[in-house]
Amino acid sequence: GQQLNQSPQSMFIQEGEDVSMNCTSSSIFNTWLWYKQDPGEGPVLLIALYKAGELTSNGRLTAQFGITRKDSFLNISASIPSDVGIYFCAGQLREQGAQKLVFGQGTRLTINP
Amino acid sequence: DGGITQSPKYLFRKEGQNVTLSCEQNLNHDAMYWYRQDPGQGLRLIYYSQIVNDFQKGDIAEGYSVSREKKESFPLTVTSAQKNPTAFYLCASSKIPGTYNEQFFGPGTRLTVL
Repeated sequence: GQQLNQSPQSMFIQEGEDVSMNCTSSSIFNTWLWYKQDPGEGPVLLIALYKAGELTSNGRLTAQFGITRKDSFLNISASIPSDVGIYFCAGQLREQGAQKLVFGQGTRLTINP
Repeated sequence: DGGITQSPKYLFRKEGQNVTLSCEQNLNHDAMYWYRQDPGQGLRLIYYSQIVNDFQKGDIAEGYSVSREKKESFPLTVTSAQKNPTAFYLCASSKIPGTYNEQFFGPGTRLTVL
Protein backbone atom coordinates (compact mmCIF):
# COMPACT_ATOMS: atom_id res chain seq x y z
CA GLY A 1 0.00 0.00 0.00
CA GLN A 2 0.91 3.67 -0.04
CA GLN A 3 3.46 4.92 2.46
CA LEU A 4 4.47 8.34 3.68
CA ASN A 5 7.96 9.06 4.94
CA GLN A 6 7.83 11.81 7.53
CA SER A 7 10.98 13.42 8.90
CA PRO A 8 12.43 14.08 11.28
CA GLN A 9 10.96 11.56 13.72
CA SER A 10 11.70 13.86 16.64
CA MET A 11 12.97 17.37 17.26
CA PHE A 12 14.38 19.01 20.37
CA ILE A 13 14.51 22.79 20.06
CA GLN A 14 14.71 25.94 22.14
CA GLU A 15 11.68 28.14 22.59
CA GLY A 16 11.58 30.78 19.88
CA GLU A 17 13.28 28.68 17.22
CA ASP A 18 11.71 27.90 13.86
CA VAL A 19 10.72 24.31 13.02
CA SER A 20 10.55 22.50 9.71
CA MET A 21 9.27 19.02 8.95
CA ASN A 22 8.31 17.24 5.75
CA CYS A 23 6.63 14.24 4.20
CA THR A 24 7.49 12.45 0.98
CA SER A 25 5.86 9.60 -0.89
CA SER A 26 6.17 7.60 -4.05
CA SER A 27 2.41 8.05 -4.55
CA ILE A 28 0.51 11.07 -5.82
CA PHE A 29 -2.07 12.62 -3.49
CA ASN A 30 -4.88 15.04 -4.30
CA THR A 31 -4.87 16.65 -0.85
CA TRP A 32 -2.32 17.05 1.91
CA LEU A 33 -3.36 17.55 5.52
CA TRP A 34 -1.32 18.42 8.61
CA TYR A 35 -2.54 17.44 12.09
CA LYS A 36 -1.25 18.01 15.63
CA GLN A 37 -1.87 15.50 18.39
CA ASP A 38 -1.47 16.16 22.10
CA PRO A 39 -0.84 13.20 24.43
CA GLY A 40 -3.94 11.07 24.90
CA GLU A 41 -6.04 13.17 22.53
CA GLY A 42 -7.26 12.94 18.97
CA PRO A 43 -5.42 14.73 16.14
CA VAL A 44 -6.51 18.28 15.39
CA LEU A 45 -6.44 19.56 11.82
CA LEU A 46 -3.98 22.43 11.35
CA ILE A 47 -3.79 23.04 7.62
CA ALA A 48 -5.33 21.51 4.49
CA LEU A 49 -3.72 21.85 1.04
CA TYR A 50 -5.67 21.16 -2.15
CA LYS A 51 -3.55 22.22 -5.13
CA ALA A 52 -0.03 21.37 -6.21
CA GLY A 53 2.27 24.28 -5.38
CA GLU A 54 -0.20 25.77 -2.88
CA LEU A 55 1.35 27.61 0.06
CA THR A 56 -1.00 28.16 3.01
CA SER A 57 -0.52 29.83 6.38
CA ASN A 58 -2.38 29.51 9.67
CA GLY A 59 -0.88 31.94 12.16
CA ARG A 60 2.72 30.88 12.77
CA LEU A 61 2.26 27.75 10.68
CA THR A 62 3.00 27.55 6.97
CA ALA A 63 2.59 24.48 4.79
CA GLN A 64 3.15 23.76 1.11
CA PHE A 65 1.80 21.16 -1.31
CA GLY A 66 4.70 19.98 -3.45
CA ILE A 67 4.61 20.56 -7.20
CA THR A 68 4.96 16.84 -7.89
CA ARG A 69 2.02 16.13 -5.51
CA LYS A 70 4.25 13.61 -3.75
CA ASP A 71 5.48 15.77 -0.89
CA SER A 72 4.59 18.49 1.59
CA PHE A 73 6.31 20.47 4.31
CA LEU A 74 5.19 22.24 7.46
CA ASN A 75 7.05 25.15 9.07
CA ILE A 76 6.41 26.61 12.52
CA SER A 77 7.93 29.99 13.24
CA ALA A 78 8.94 31.32 16.65
CA SER A 79 7.98 28.18 18.56
CA ILE A 80 6.20 28.45 21.91
CA PRO A 81 5.64 25.83 24.64
CA SER A 82 2.11 24.96 23.46
CA ASP A 83 3.58 23.80 20.12
CA VAL A 84 4.80 20.66 21.90
CA GLY A 85 3.15 17.53 20.54
CA ILE A 86 3.21 15.11 17.63
CA TYR A 87 2.66 16.43 14.12
CA PHE A 88 1.28 14.14 11.44
CA CYS A 89 1.09 14.61 7.72
CA ALA A 90 -1.63 12.82 5.79
CA GLY A 91 -2.08 12.39 2.08
CA GLN A 92 -5.57 11.96 0.73
CA LEU A 93 -6.41 9.96 -2.34
CA ARG A 94 -9.45 8.45 -3.94
CA GLU A 95 -9.52 4.66 -3.71
CA GLN A 96 -12.44 2.35 -4.47
CA GLY A 97 -14.80 5.31 -4.60
CA ALA A 98 -13.80 6.66 -1.18
CA GLN A 99 -11.50 9.42 0.00
CA LYS A 100 -8.84 7.72 2.14
CA LEU A 101 -6.02 9.12 4.22
CA VAL A 102 -2.49 7.74 4.45
CA PHE A 103 -0.59 8.98 7.52
CA GLY A 104 3.07 9.62 8.14
CA GLN A 105 4.74 8.24 11.27
CA GLY A 106 4.68 11.59 13.02
CA THR A 107 7.24 14.15 14.19
CA ARG A 108 7.50 14.55 17.97
CA LEU A 109 8.34 18.13 18.88
CA THR A 110 9.90 18.90 22.27
CA ILE A 111 10.67 22.48 23.31
CA ASN A 112 13.22 23.45 25.94
CA PRO A 113 12.19 26.63 27.74
CA ASP B 1 -21.54 22.33 20.00
CA GLY B 2 -20.89 20.13 16.95
CA GLY B 3 -18.29 17.44 17.27
CA ILE B 4 -17.30 13.82 17.59
CA THR B 5 -17.57 11.98 20.86
CA GLN B 6 -16.00 8.69 21.79
CA SER B 7 -16.70 6.70 24.89
CA PRO B 8 -15.32 5.54 27.15
CA LYS B 9 -11.98 7.37 27.32
CA TYR B 10 -10.29 4.35 28.94
CA LEU B 11 -11.39 0.74 28.66
CA PHE B 12 -10.00 -2.35 30.31
CA ARG B 13 -10.98 -5.85 29.25
CA LYS B 14 -9.87 -9.37 29.91
CA GLU B 15 -8.29 -11.35 27.12
CA GLY B 16 -10.86 -13.25 25.07
CA GLN B 17 -13.71 -10.82 25.63
CA ASN B 18 -15.34 -8.79 22.88
CA VAL B 19 -15.60 -5.06 23.53
CA THR B 20 -17.50 -2.31 21.71
CA LEU B 21 -16.22 1.26 21.37
CA SER B 22 -18.71 4.04 20.79
CA CYS B 23 -18.41 6.87 18.25
CA GLU B 24 -21.08 9.54 17.74
CA GLN B 25 -21.02 12.69 15.59
CA ASN B 26 -23.46 15.57 15.27
CA LEU B 27 -21.69 17.26 12.36
CA ASN B 28 -24.10 15.76 9.79
CA HIS B 29 -21.10 14.12 8.14
CA ASP B 30 -21.70 11.29 5.71
CA ALA B 31 -18.49 9.32 6.17
CA MET B 32 -17.07 7.84 9.35
CA TYR B 33 -13.78 6.06 9.99
CA TRP B 34 -12.02 4.00 12.64
CA TYR B 35 -8.24 4.11 13.08
CA ARG B 36 -5.84 2.32 15.35
CA GLN B 37 -2.74 4.05 16.73
CA ASP B 38 0.18 2.22 18.32
CA PRO B 39 3.09 3.96 20.10
CA GLY B 40 5.51 5.59 17.69
CA GLN B 41 3.36 4.83 14.68
CA GLY B 42 0.96 6.70 12.48
CA LEU B 43 -2.74 5.95 12.23
CA ARG B 44 -3.90 2.83 10.44
CA LEU B 45 -7.37 2.48 8.96
CA ILE B 46 -9.56 -0.31 10.34
CA TYR B 47 -12.99 0.28 8.74
CA TYR B 48 -14.83 3.11 7.05
CA SER B 49 -18.40 3.87 6.07
CA GLN B 50 -19.66 6.35 3.49
CA ILE B 51 -23.40 5.85 3.99
CA VAL B 52 -25.79 4.21 6.42
CA ASN B 53 -25.90 0.40 6.26
CA ASP B 54 -22.70 0.22 4.24
CA PHE B 55 -19.05 -0.08 5.29
CA GLN B 56 -15.73 -1.27 3.88
CA LYS B 57 -12.62 -2.86 5.33
CA GLY B 58 -9.55 -0.75 5.75
CA ASP B 59 -5.95 -1.91 5.94
CA ILE B 60 -6.16 -3.81 9.24
CA ALA B 61 -9.80 -5.04 9.55
CA GLU B 62 -9.04 -8.54 10.82
CA GLY B 63 -10.42 -9.09 14.32
CA TYR B 64 -12.73 -6.06 14.16
CA SER B 65 -16.35 -5.50 13.19
CA VAL B 66 -18.53 -2.40 12.71
CA SER B 67 -22.12 -1.38 12.05
CA ARG B 68 -23.67 1.79 10.63
CA GLU B 69 -27.37 1.73 11.46
CA LYS B 70 -27.58 5.51 11.94
CA LYS B 71 -25.77 8.35 10.22
CA GLU B 72 -24.58 9.69 13.57
CA SER B 73 -23.17 6.46 14.99
CA PHE B 74 -20.38 4.05 13.97
CA PRO B 75 -19.54 1.61 16.79
CA LEU B 76 -16.45 -0.60 16.59
CA THR B 77 -16.30 -4.07 18.14
CA VAL B 78 -12.91 -5.48 18.99
CA THR B 79 -13.37 -9.23 18.95
CA SER B 80 -11.43 -11.98 20.64
CA ALA B 81 -9.94 -12.79 17.22
CA GLN B 82 -7.84 -9.60 17.32
CA LYS B 83 -4.39 -10.82 18.31
CA ASN B 84 -3.06 -7.61 19.86
CA PRO B 85 -6.00 -5.34 20.73
CA THR B 86 -4.27 -3.02 23.21
CA ALA B 87 -4.04 0.34 21.40
CA PHE B 88 -5.44 3.85 21.09
CA TYR B 89 -8.55 3.89 18.88
CA LEU B 90 -9.61 6.99 17.01
CA CYS B 91 -12.87 7.70 15.23
CA ALA B 92 -13.14 10.33 12.49
CA SER B 93 -15.79 11.75 10.20
CA SER B 94 -15.95 13.79 7.01
CA LYS B 95 -18.40 15.15 4.47
CA ILE B 96 -18.57 13.42 1.08
CA PRO B 97 -18.42 13.63 -1.83
CA GLY B 98 -16.13 16.34 -3.12
CA THR B 99 -12.59 17.46 -2.70
CA TYR B 100 -12.97 19.49 0.50
CA ASN B 101 -13.75 16.65 2.85
CA GLU B 102 -11.13 16.80 5.57
CA GLN B 103 -11.41 14.22 8.32
CA PHE B 104 -12.02 15.43 11.86
CA PHE B 105 -11.17 13.24 14.81
CA GLY B 106 -12.73 12.38 18.14
CA PRO B 107 -10.77 12.34 21.43
CA GLY B 108 -9.99 8.62 21.25
CA THR B 109 -10.46 5.52 23.42
CA ARG B 110 -7.50 3.78 24.99
CA LEU B 111 -8.16 0.05 25.17
CA THR B 112 -6.05 -2.14 27.42
CA VAL B 113 -6.49 -5.88 27.37
CA LEU B 114 -5.28 -7.56 30.53
